[in-house]
Amino acid sequence: GDSVTQMEGPVTLSEEAFLTINCTYTATGYPSLFWYVQYPGEGLQLLLKATKADDKGSNKGFEATYRKETTSFHLEKGSVQVSDSAVYFCARPSPDTDKLIFGTGTRLQVFP
Amino acid sequence: KAGVTQTPRYLIKTRGQQVTLSCSPISGHRSVSWYQQTPGQGLQFLFEYFSETQRNKGNFPGRFSGRQFSNSRSEMNVSTLELGDSALYLCASSPELTDTQYFGPGTRLTVL
Repeated sequence: GDSVTQMEGPVTLSEEAFLTINCTYTATGYPSLFWYVQYPGEGLQLLLKATKADDKGSNKGFEATYRKETTSFHLEKGSVQVSDSAVYFCARPSPDTDKLIFGTGTRLQVFP
Repeated sequence: KAGVTQTPRYLIKTRGQQVTLSCSPISGHRSVSWYQQTPGQGLQFLFEYFSETQRNKGNFPGRFSGRQFSNSRSEMNVSTLELGDSALYLCASSPELTDTQYFGPGTRLTVL
């Protein structure tokens, strides 16, 4: 069935390091794709989205490109900060309902 | 615009009790969805409402119910609480004709 797979965490980085969090999806057709971020003790915040193949979503220095050839939507940031420490979720809509299908989440820890 | 608000933010109940959680969507959004987040199961879809009608329901027992009012505010109710119902309950709202969901801060329910 339709699903979203994320890399296992935690991802531990030093400040100013380059970040990649992998996300792949299975789908019939070309669904919208999302990255959400969850800071400790908070709900999910929409970080970025892409609605069609080759779209690039970007926000707060984070980017992700919708790659239909590899069915991927990897999250990247060129220089992470301690304040980026959070859990990141990749998601896509279900094909037949309005619910979102989430990956398992990847915890990012950034140390000074 | 104000974001999605959820009340209360924290709840402690004992087994067998019931609980009602409230969600106010972003102004103008008529679709409201509910999710349960636990460390073991991740993010799971509970149900979705649009214009006071439940459009979709996840795979949860009948103890979990919800409703939506004419002003789009939504409530969810859990009866006969079990220890396993301890979770973060997240509400999300969507504008019409879009699959983007905006989440509230969540209600942390602890069942003792």
